[in-house]
Amino acid sequence: DIVMTQSPDSLAVSLGERATINCKSSQSVLYSSNNKNYLAWYQQKPGQPPKLLIYWASARESGVPDRFSGSGSGTDFTLTISSLQAEDVAVYYCQQYFSTPSITFGQGTRLELK
Amino acid sequence: EVQLVESGGGLVQPGESLRLSCAASGFTVTNNYMSWVRQAPGKGLEWVSVIYTDGRTYYADSVKGRFAVSRDISKNTVNLQMNSLRAEDTAVYFCARGMPSLVGFFDSWGQGTLVTVSS
Repeated sequence: DIVMTQSPDSLAVSLGERATINCKSSQSVLYSSNNKNYLAWYQQKPGQPPKLLIYWASARESGVPDRFSGSGSGTDFTLTISSLQAEDVAVYYCQQYFSTPSITFGQGTRLELK
Repeated sequence: EVQLVESGGGLVQPGESLRLSCAASGFTVTNNYMSWVRQAPGKGLEWVSVIYTDGRTYYADSVKGRFAVSRDISKNTVNLQMNSLRAEDTAVYFCARGMPSLVGFFDSWGQGTLVTVSS
């Protein structure tokens, strides 16, 4: 299985500041035949299911604010929140879907307000 | 509007069985790869199983041989039969919609149903 490792495990950011979460895969999730990275990002708030934010590493899901962006390729990926809002406090997970059916998630990064 | 609603969770003893159901609306479950993902209390997300559009099923090693996923087309539901339950199966179980042609990413999730395995 592909192991997904996120860093940091937790992060405290002030309102309006930038938040950056990293995700590293144990092997490349870039499919050469279509040049797509099989990587998604989710946001999970307490007592709620995960919510899809980003797929194909950088495509924003419909309705997701444009302050959320994804970047990276191969084995190294980043989720960036350009200007943190109070409602962005949550746990964030990356997920690879390159190695199917055994998709795997990162361990999660807890984002808090400073 | 796409909606997924899980049911069937509860408290069971080790070794017992439980059947979860995921009722879908706004789409047909045979048109997407449908997965179960679980989350142990205070822990991260763990993929459990998937049923493909062609009916093939796959499982995480941790549940292989004990869990079985199926579909009821007439009810538009996806079910998870869980046998020989263990304490480590305690988790919130989410039903999640994948892509039409891949396990892929999950664009819709249910609210989850809690399974507690304890004596």
